[in-house]
Amino acid sequence: AQSVAQPEDQVNVAEGNPLTVKCTYSVSGNPYLFWYVQYPNRGLQFLLKYITGDNLVKGSYGFEAEFNKSQTSFHLKKPSALVSDSALYFCAVRDSNRDDKIIFGKGTRLHILP
Amino acid sequence: SAVISQKPSRDICQRGTSLTIQCQVDSQVTMMFWYRQQPGQSLTLIATANQGSEATYESGFVIDKFPISRPNLTFSTLTVSNLSPEDSSIYLCSVGQGAGDTGELFFGEGSRLTVL
Repeated sequence: AQSVAQPEDQVNVAEGNPLTVKCTYSVSGNPYLFWYVQYPNRGLQFLLKYITGDNLVKGSYGFEAEFNKSQTSFHLKKPSALVSDSALYFCAVRDSNRDDKIIFGKGTRLHILP
Repeated sequence: SAVISQKPSRDICQRGTSLTIQCQVDSQVTMMFWYRQQPGQSLTLIATANQGSEATYESGFVIDKFPISRPNLTFSTLTVSNLSPEDSSIYLCSVGQGAGDTGELFFGEGSRLTVL
């Protein structure tokens, strides 16, 4: 069965520093990988996705993520954090061999310190 | 991207009653999904709703507790029946592009349910 792991419940980063939010996955086929962000009392907003091609994908708000097949990881990164990046981040995966269900990780709360 | 409207945005209900959540999309979509997000938890898929067929429920979710309607390609409802405090959650409607699609899901703002 497909699964997603986000090993950190919370990540604290000083404003202006680079940030990384970790994600690893497990699927039987090829993975389709996604990152979403959730601000307080809001729904989920799509940030970026990896389907195929270049392992480094760029998304909204200056975020990017690197697909690493050998490590089954898809870490979210940003070169310089903003206080407004503080939110809850979810990694998600869809298995190309299965139907259209997307499975979400438990989420990582990102806290950017001013 | 699709624009998804959910109603109500929040509600407080008594134990034993039911709540119906509506999801309206601004374009026709094949697949609609209902997720539950319990306090401090991730999203758990409840069911997949396709127009013209019965919803497909995930393990741990049953039709009697979470009946779903999908009368057309732009609308769906989720009812949470016989409410208990354990049903207090955010319920999220989302849409995809269709079978075989590799794209992302779009989400509504969610419906926050509190059961007393």
